[in-house]
Amino acid sequence: EPEVTQTPSHQVTQMGQEVILRCVPISNHLYFYWYRQILGQKVEFLVSFYNNEISEKSEIFDDQFSVERPDGSNFTLKIRSTKLEDSAMYFCASSREGYEQYFGPGTRLTVT
Amino acid sequence: AQSVTQLDSQVPVFEEAPVELRCNYSSSVSVYLFWYVQYPNQGLQLLLKYLSGSTLVKGINGFEAEFNKSQTSFHLRKPSVHISDTAEYFCAVSGQGAQKLVFGQGTRLTINP
Repeated sequence: EPEVTQTPSHQVTQMGQEVILRCVPISNHLYFYWYRQILGQKVEFLVSFYNNEISEKSEIFDDQFSVERPDGSNFTLKIRSTKLEDSAMYFCASSREGYEQYFGPGTRLTVT
Repeated sequence: AQSVTQLDSQVPVFEEAPVELRCNYSSSVSVYLFWYVQYPNQGLQLLLKYLSGSTLVKGINGFEAEFNKSQTSFHLRKPSVHISDTAEYFCAVSGQGAQKLVFGQGTRLTINP
């Protein structure tokens, strides 16, 4: 059964450093999403991406964040200058038709 | 805008007992509703969904949920739980169409032998 994959599973970085989180969505899916879950809090939407452009973003997704689909398979989330409060589990999701989203296993980002 | 309230943060039950996890939502537009399950150290797995049609939806692992529009609820039920059902369960809502999911806080289901 096809699934969403994410790398790395755990990333430790120092405050102010750039990080890139990688996702490989399910191959015939057209809609892509990033969510995050700070420890003990709700899963929060960050951004959605369709047809090679951002379709919606949350208030969390400020200028420090960017997304890219550099080729036909990868979908990346970049944080330009990490802050302590960016520490969270980041989930990538994909959907074929836009309403049933399938999630990856997540990347735990720890900013020290 | 949508919001989701999961009324119980933790639910302990005995093995083979029935369970209900409660979810209420708020929205000014028609919605799709979902339950996801997160097993320890794993990602979110889609358990079941309501898009339209029958208000009783069945999902994987013997779970079912009922959409009640008048009460704006989407409670998850299972008639007999197993140890393997120990996990965190998230209710989520989206507007119709290709829209973001809004999640509840999650309910931790603990099964006692």
